[in-house]
Amino acid sequence: SAVISQKPSRDICQRGTSLTIQCQVDSQVTMMFWYRQQPGQSLTLIATANQGSEATYESGFVIDKFPISRPNLTFSTLTVSNMSPEDSSIYLCSGRTGGITTNEKLFFGSGTQLSVL
Amino acid sequence: KNEVEQSPQNLTAQEGEFITINCSYSVGISALHWLQQHPGGGIVSLFMLSSGKKKHGRLIATINIQEKHSSLHITASHPRDSAVYICAVPVIPGGSEKLVFGKGTKLTVNP
Repeated sequence: SAVISQKPSRDICQRGTSLTIQCQVDSQVTMMFWYRQQPGQSLTLIATANQGSEATYESGFVIDKFPISRPNLTFSTLTVSNMSPEDSSIYLCSGRTGGITTNEKLFFGSGTQLSVL
Repeated sequence: KNEVEQSPQNLTAQEGEFITINCSYSVGISALHWLQQHPGGGIVSLFMLSSGKKKHGRLIATINIQEKHSSLHITASHPRDSAVYICAVPVIPGGSEKLVFGKGTKLTVNP
């Protein structure tokens, strides 16, 4: 099974600054995703990170606010830009191998707990 | 109505008790994931089910595709089982694959 190393694990940031979160997978995964989990809520998909091309964003999330890179099959970054207190959440990256319903394996990073003052 | 609903939201048990967590869904294709989230945020995939039942150690997951319902059982529960358990259903809106998550069930097992 794949292991995803995510960093930083937590950070406290000032309003208006940006934070880049990194995820490194120890083996190739088919797809990579970025999620946000606000306190007491379920995971919300921010975007699908596409290798070598622009990420596919979900409704309510835009590239200017959450730029994503995936230069190869094992690495991706998410930047939270121009932060406000409303961005305080856990951010998680995830990888998947296999098809969506057949022998699919899901892997998650350990999460980044972001607090914006 | 949420697309993926879990019950109960919170569950407290004594060590050794048999635990059942339920998940009902109104969307998705014929599969479901059970995930475990520990304090601090890290998530571990427990099962992917498309039919019947799967067992791993003290964990058993069942699914009824026709009724769009799944259960996660923990036998002989232990304090280390304390975590949030999340079910997730794959959907393919407009051809792009994604997961829809339940809000999770917070399980606390007391010694």
